[in-house]
Amino acid sequence: GNSVTQMEGPVTLSEEAFLTINCTYTATGYPSLFWYVQYPGEGLQLLLKATKADDKGSNKGFEATYRKETTSFHLEKGSVQVSDSAVYFCALNNQAGTALIFGKGTTLSVSS
Amino acid sequence: KAGVTQTPRYLIKTRGQQVTLSCSPISGHRSVSWYQQTPGQGLQFLFEYFSETQRNKGNFPGRFSGRQFSNSRSEMNVSTLELGDSALYLCASSSSGTGEDEQYFGPGTRLTVT
Repeated sequence: GNSVTQMEGPVTLSEEAFLTINCTYTATGYPSLFWYVQYPGEGLQLLLKATKADDKGSNKGFEATYRKETTSFHLEKGSVQVSDSAVYFCALNNQAGTALIFGKGTTLSVSS
Repeated sequence: KAGVTQTPRYLIKTRGQQVTLSCSPISGHRSVSWYQQTPGQGLQFLFEYFSETQRNKGNFPGRFSGRQFSNSRSEMNVSTLELGDSALYLCASSSSGTGEDEQYFGPGTRLTVT
C-alpha cells in the first residue's frame, strides 16, 4: 500500500542553521508529493508540492526535489528563522481525488 | 476570499452520543475532504466528497459518515462515540478535486469524548 515515512522529531536548531527533514514514500505509479506545515493552533498550509519525477517544489526559502529513484522528497532550507518553528508533514496522493496520505510529522523548533 | 471554516471549534461529548461537525469550503471549491488528527495515529483520511458524491473513503468504521450539500458545504457525523474518537477533525477543500490540487485546510474541530 501507499505510505510516507518521515524523520522523527523534534528537530531543534539555532537561527540561520541549515534544515533537512527526510521523507521517503512507498507508492505504485507516480504520486504527487507535498509538504504541509502546521503552526501552533492552526490548520495545515501547503508549503510546496511536486507532481512528477525531478520536479523541485519551492516556497519561502524551502525546497524539495521529487526523487523517483530513491523514492524521497526531503525538505531543505538554507537558513531557518524562529518563525519557521512548526510541525512539518510530508504527504502523497496516489489516486483520483484528494485523499492525502501523511507522514507522522516532524516538529521543528528554532531558537534565536 | 474567505477561507475554510469549521464549526464548532470545540466540542465535548459523552461516550455513546453522536456528533455532527460542519465545514464550509472556500467559495467555488467543489471538493471537501475530512481528516482525523490524533497524537498516536497522526493525520488519517476519512472521506472525500465531490459534487455531493462520496468519491473516496478511508479505513474508518461505519460510525463515521458524511455528506455534502449542493452549495458544497459538508457535514460529518460520528455515531456512538468512543473515547478513541477524541481528536482534531480537519476539513479541507480544493477547487478541482484532482490529486495534484492544493488543499486548503480549516482550523479544525477539537472533539473530546469523556
